[in-house]
Amino acid sequence: EVQLVESGGGLVQPGGSLRLSCAASGFTFINYAMSWVRQAPGKGLEWVSSISGSGGSTYYAASVRGRVSISRDNSMNTLYLQMSSLRAEDAAVYYCARDIYTGGRRHDCWGQGTLVTVSS
Amino acid sequence: EIVLTQSPGTLSLSPGERATLSCRASQSVSSTHLAWYQQKPGQAPRLLIYAASTRATGIPDRFSGSGSETDFTLTISRLEPEDFAVYHCQHYGSSYTFGQGTKLEIK
Repeated sequence: EVQLVESGGGLVQPGGSLRLSCAASGFTFINYAMSWVRQAPGKGLEWVSSISGSGGSTYYAASVRGRVSISRDNSMNTLYLQMSSLRAEDAAVYYCARDIYTGGRRHDCWGQGTLVTVSS
Repeated sequence: EIVLTQSPGTLSLSPGERATLSCRASQSVSSTHLAWYQQKPGQAPRLLIYAASTRATGIPDRFSGSGSETDFTLTISRLEPEDFAVYHCQHYGSSYTFGQGTKLEIK
């Protein structure tokens, strides 16, 4: 069974940093690109960042570029999102998701999410 | 940058009725990269439809997708109680873009 489990969320002050993790199991992790998608309270979904299977290619939304870094450890089957200079508008549930390219781009599996709160 | 606009914002229907949800793109997009997700309160999104009209694994056939260019539709033929949720459309161009969501609520 494919499983994605996020961790690392919590309360952080504005300007602070946080690293989110996503532990993957049930599939060959290196074969899949992965993404982070966030959802602010009561709002819609917003794509944050994606990374290729090898980790050699990374992509960022304009809203987080320069403040966020996506990475992965394929030996540990783990995806990361390093966030810095956090703002109030970064507060959200952060989901990791598996990317599928064949037959049309989509996220076919999602984790349960981890909540990031930005407040002083 | 492509903007996806979903309508209506909220749709109130009864079980057994037909639901039609719209997703309109600000410019013509490839239907190959148009997907729909269902999200229930407190849960992660679940993939329903990809490539505009292909049901994801395990999705009941009462869910169907259609459309092209700028206008896409998610149809639920006969609503079941478990279908009341928020529905999101998504497109991939050079990056992923989501619509703002449609809440399907029980009338």
